[in-house]
Amino acid sequence: GAVVSQHPSWVICKSGTSVKIECRSLDFQATTMFWYRQFPKQSLMLMATSNEGSKATYEQGVEKDKFLINHASLTLSTLTVTSAHPEDSSFYICSASHSQGANEQYFGPGTRLTVT
Amino acid sequence: SQKIEQNSEALNIQEGKTATLTCNYTNYSPAYLQWYRQDPGRGPVFLLLIRENEKEKRKERLKVTFDTTLKQSLFHITASQPADSATYLCALGNQGGKLIFGQGTELSVKP
Repeated sequence: GAVVSQHPSWVICKSGTSVKIECRSLDFQATTMFWYRQFPKQSLMLMATSNEGSKATYEQGVEKDKFLINHASLTLSTLTVTSAHPEDSSFYICSASHSQGANEQYFGPGTRLTVT
Repeated sequence: SQKIEQNSEALNIQEGKTATLTCNYTNYSPAYLQWYRQDPGRGPVFLLLIRENEKEKRKERLKVTFDTTLKQSLFHITASQPADSATYLCALGNQGGKLIFGQGTELSVKP
């Protein structure tokens, strides 16, 4: 149980284009989903928290107009990187939790984004 | 500001021995602490969660301790196997569910 999928697993796009990444909880309903970014040899950095049906809460320094998050259902959240630039190239990982608050998070396999 | 430190050096041990990984933190009072395993190019896999009012938790060959006075957690893998080789991440959480991750410790178990 507690399986989270991400699609695509990797994507290459040209500078200036937008990319959408999907995160799905396959066998449970995820009240809360989180989006992280991880650069090589570095720790996971939380970008935003989203609860189903409400606006995402972004961490300090994360541009909400650049990283659009939609959590339209209890099993799906999407992250759209708008007008991508090479510095946005990174490993994007989502996680999902059964409920709000202090609980274990289940992570997706990640999406490798390369912007050329 | 909040700071989490894990063993900065990679840990190399012999198969069958116990691996002990350290997670220290400052300027934070977490409601709970989690340990994850991460393999290269993959997302983290949840291992154990321990809450602030718990001292120790076990799961099969894994044991985690949590000392809120020392602001430290120890993560033990007993009877280690080469398949345990991975990067292990410590993460601190607040009541809202938000996690802050350490940089991870790379463990290598040699046969």
